Amino acid sequence: GAGVSQSPSNKVTEKGKDVELRCDPISGHTALYWYRQSLGQGLEFLIYFQGNSAPDKSGLPSDRFSAERTGGSVSTLTIQRTQQEDSAVYLCASSLAVGLAGNTIYFGEGSWLTVV
Amino acid sequence: AQKITQTQPGMFVQEKEAVTLDCTYDTSDQSYGLFWYKQPSSGEMIFLIYQGSYDEQNATEGRYSLNFQKARKSANLVISASQLGDSAMYFCAMREGRYNQGGKLIFGQGTELSVKP
Repeated sequence: GAGVSQSPSNKVTEKGKDVELRCDPISGHTALYWYRQSLGQGLEFLIYFQGNSAPDKSGLPSDRFSAERTGGSVSTLTIQRTQQEDSAVYLCASSLAVGLAGNTIYFGEGSWLTVV
Repeated sequence: AQKITQTQPGMFVQEKEAVTLDCTYDTSDQSYGLFWYKQPSSGEMIFLIYQGSYDEQNATEGRYSLNFQKARKSANLVISASQLGDSAMYFCAMREGRYNQGGKLIFGQGTELSVKP
């Protein structure tokens, strides 16, 4: 598609349930990123994919968080046994990954997760 | 470790005036990229401008320019002729590595800009 697409745009879930958030990057972008943004805060890096592999998982906050990417395209971020502190906007982004550090990262509109 | 600091939580500017949003960074790498993003209340992150560490000229994109002072490790965003639609959160970000096959952006905490009519 023309831009980074995320679904669902909004999700309300009960504490303890699992949730899956989906990201479809810009066509041709091999790098894919997940970030988390809590209310009024900056962006917290979660994980980065290059193709289907994840060379940097350093930002995943706990083992309840996992992500996968198949076919070098769509990625799914899974949060197991959700807690109220998981409530945030989860932003996906993609970029070209060949060459310079200046390859721009383009963001989707985010998935707003509320854990009640 | 790399770090981005934005010291202005909030800024006000009169419509049609220029405003400078501050950003300082810390990195041990010689090759890096600096970015500014705008986040309006709708939540989307909009790319504004990029500056590479080896670029000798300051980057400009329309009304946006980046005042890059490498020795001071600062990358301030200048918005000229402010418009009401410029009211938003502005984030400075850095990515290390010249040929690092992608790599994450590290973001500052942001500056909320309000443009007054």
